[in-house]
Amino acid sequence: NAGVTQTPKFQVLKTGQSMTLQCAQDMNHEYMSWYRQDPGMGLRLIHYSVGAGITDQGEVPNGYNVSRSTTEDFPLRLLSAAPSQTSVYFCASSLGGSFGETQYFGPGTRLLVL
Amino acid sequence: AQSVTQLDSQVPVFEEAPVELRCNYSSSVSVYLFWYVQYPNQGLQLLLKYLSGSTLVKGINGFEAEFNKSQTSFHLRKPSVHISDTAEYFCAVSDDSGYSTLTFGKGTMLLVSP
Repeated sequence: NAGVTQTPKFQVLKTGQSMTLQCAQDMNHEYMSWYRQDPGMGLRLIHYSVGAGITDQGEVPNGYNVSRSTTEDFPLRLLSAAPSQTSVYFCASSLGGSFGETQYFGPGTRLLVL
Repeated sequence: AQSVTQLDSQVPVFEEAPVELRCNYSSSVSVYLFWYVQYPNQGLQLLLKYLSGSTLVKGINGFEAEFNKSQTSFHLRKPSVHISDTAEYFCAVSDDSGYSTLTFGKGTMLLVSP
């Protein structure tokens, strides 16, 4: 069981470039989410999904797109990167969407936008 | 809307001393409370969670937390810390108004020195 995996580990982009952060889980979890972590801000929810084909916005969705075509994968797309998107991105998953369930986190992707 | 306040951004402590990391929350509905730990350059790992029942919750690595509904607090404690406990600790809350989305505090950096 690899758990939650994220690629790449580190990425440098120029302003205006696009990229996709990959997230995959092998635990057959229905619920997946993306957070960004900034110094002194904790983690903030970007988007989440309660199952294949179903996504919704979190607290800070602007500038990010998601889709969920399979249970295993939940990629995060930056269509036109901005310096304000420099952050550490974490993907998380849980078995279902019920309140109180433990979320399992990936190791993170560090993104620097110049 | 729910929110989490971690009262200390940084807590320095000597090895083998006790420690308390403070967390207060606000929510208009029933809540579920979590403490996660993040070791340097890693993802988040669940320490413990409170769903219902006994207000004293025991977690991994000798940590425990007490849920106090009247004071809307969920403070994390350890009677004797080790150098290896140096990490950032996040308090988080989810409620029963939707899915298992977490709202995080800004984090407390625990610095254990010899």
